[in-house]
Parts: sequence; C-alpha cells; structure tokens
Amino acid sequence: LAKTTQPISMDSYEGQEVNITCSHNNIATNDYITWYQQFPSQGPRFIIQGYKTKVTNEVASLFIPADRKSSTLSLPRVSLSDTAVYYCLVGDGNSGGGADGLTFGKGTHLIIQP
Amino acid sequence: DVKVTQSSRYLVKRTGEKVFLECVQDMDHENMFWYRQDPGLGLRLIYFSYDVKMKEKGDIPEGYSVSREKKERFSLILESASTNQTSMYLCASSLGGRGNEQYFGPGTRLTVT
Repeated sequence: LAKTTQPISMDSYEGQEVNITCSHNNIATNDYITWYQQFPSQGPRFIIQGYKTKVTNEVASLFIPADRKSSTLSLPRVSLSDTAVYYCLVGDGNSGGGADGLTFGKGTHLIIQP
Repeated sequence: DVKVTQSSRYLVKRTGEKVFLECVQDMDHENMFWYRQDPGLGLRLIYFSYDVKMKEKGDIPEGYSVSREKKERFSLILESASTNQTSMYLCASSLGGRGNEQYFGPGTRLTVT
C-alpha cells in the first residue's frame, strides 16, 4: 500500500510560488501520482498527474525525482482563490484488486493571505 | 464536461431509517466511488465499483452497502442509519484504472438525528 504523507497546513502570500511536497516511500513501479484540489462544500477537483520527472499544465507543475519516493506540487504566483485543501494520491492503472491508490487522507490546507 | 450528479444536496434522516444515496455519471466511466468526508479526517473511501455488479470494500465499509445495476448509477445504502453516519458523502467516477482522474459530484450532506 503506497501511503502518502503531506504537511497538514501551509501559509503563503499572493503572488508567491507555493510548493507542496508529498512523501510516498512505498510507491510501486506502476503507480502514478495525482494531485487534487478541494474548496469548501465542493468535491475534489483534479489538478495534475505524473509518473516521473516533470509535468506542467496551465494550473500547476509536478516535480518527481528519479527515485519517485516524493513529489512536489508547484503553484506559480498564487492568489487568494488558491486557498484550498490539496491532496496527493498514488495509484496504478489497474481496476479492482483493493483500495490501493484511492486513499485521499487529510490533505494539505493551503492558506493564501493578501 | 463530465457530469456526476447526486440525488440530494441535503438530507435529514432519523436513527434506524434505511437511507439511499444515488449517484449518476454521464461519461460511461467504468469506476465509481463513494467517500465520506468528516472534519479532521479527510476523505475516506467507503466502497468502489469497477464494473456493473462488481464492488470492493474501501477503508470504512462497515454500516454501508452498495448497488451497481447499471454502469451509470452507483447507490450507497445505509441499512439502519446511525448518528455517527452524519457526514458529507461524495460520489466520484473515473475511467479505467484506479490511478486515473476521478470526477466528483457536489456531495450530499446527511444528518442523522
């Protein structure tokens, strides 16, 4: 079971770059790393997914070192609206076989201040 | 856009009642999930289904059952509701593998009195 560990909370200011790191020491060869964002009273929303090295989309970047035992979500130039809970998940591309890779945990509560 | 809908946004039930929470997705996704979310505990997986009539237990299946008779619909059933099942219930769906992007519904806030 690829368990993930994230900081409970982080603070930053508008315009700053924010990096949230997730540890997943037991990641398996077939596992992907996925990050979600959740605002109050809403379901989580997919942000980005990667397997190795670096992935970038219009919202964020995901950095994954060669050993894949951790990953870092990078949010460039955050705004107040980026205040949310961010979850890191690790899971493979197979169906069935148990709940591995489906554990959201408590996430990281990111608070952006003016 | 993928759409995942849940039958109710808010629901109030009495202890001992049988409760049905319905979830429908319109993107022909194989996988469907039920989570509950409680303050300080994050999202916890109750059950998931990777095909019609197939189901697997998540982290906290006790007190719940599920039904998936059609691909687009996944029901969560509380056979005899208890106050400790007061929570936000979130349904999600995804294509293919367990690591794939999940699309969430708006959630149902269930209160059991």
